[in-house]
Amino acid sequence: SYELTQPPSVSVSPGQTVSITCSGDRLGQIYASWYQQKPGQSPAMVIYKDDQRPSGIPERFSGSNSGNTATLTISGTQAVDEAVYYCQAWDSSTVLFGGGTKLTVL
Amino acid sequence: EVQLLESGGGLVQPGGSLKLSCATSGFTFSDYAMSWVRQAPGKGLEWVSFINGRGEYTYYGVSVQGRFIISRDNSKNTLFLQMNSLTAEDTAVYFCAKEPIVGATRPNWFDPWGQGTQVTVSS
Repeated sequence: SYELTQPPSVSVSPGQTVSITCSGDRLGQIYASWYQQKPGQSPAMVIYKDDQRPSGIPERFSGSNSGNTATLTISGTQAVDEAVYYCQAWDSSTVLFGGGTKLTVL
Repeated sequence: EVQLLESGGGLVQPGGSLKLSCATSGFTFSDYAMSWVRQAPGKGLEWVSFINGRGEYTYYGVSVQGRFIISRDNSKNTLFLQMNSLTAEDTAVYFCAKEPIVGATRPNWFDPWGQGTQVTVSS
């Protein structure tokens, strides 16, 4: 079955750039989206259609998708960005989520 | 402002049934598909089901296929999830989420999400 694989955790220093990857077979051939979930809150979409940013999402969030890997990049990371990030895609009549990556801002 | 408010969660015994509701406001409900997504305690997100705006197209995750039924009442701007034959593995917070694309006939992405309703399956 198709799976999306994310690293369990990444860490970054405030002000630095961090990338979170999401891997899946031929993922670059389908659209990927990204969601941010802070403790006790519902998920919120931060990137859709590979690289589109919803209104209200800061410009420091960007996305890309090519080959087998989709990437969420946060530039100038802030403490408020600490959260779990999930990638998501649609394939073969099912929605897939990655396992989530906990971003720690040290 | 789009608002999604889930209800109907609670404690149910294994093998039992429960019906969740998601009351919506702030948009033309019948124009948009909706989904249910769940999150088991301490775990990641798992998509459960999708229904398009007119209720013609539905999709289900493998783990709930044949047990859960998604439906909607466009006259009441409300989404439903009928859950049958529940097991402990169905214990989770259940979120409803709106499809941002008008007229979508399959899931694309989810925005926004409701606050969720807790379902606990236990004897």
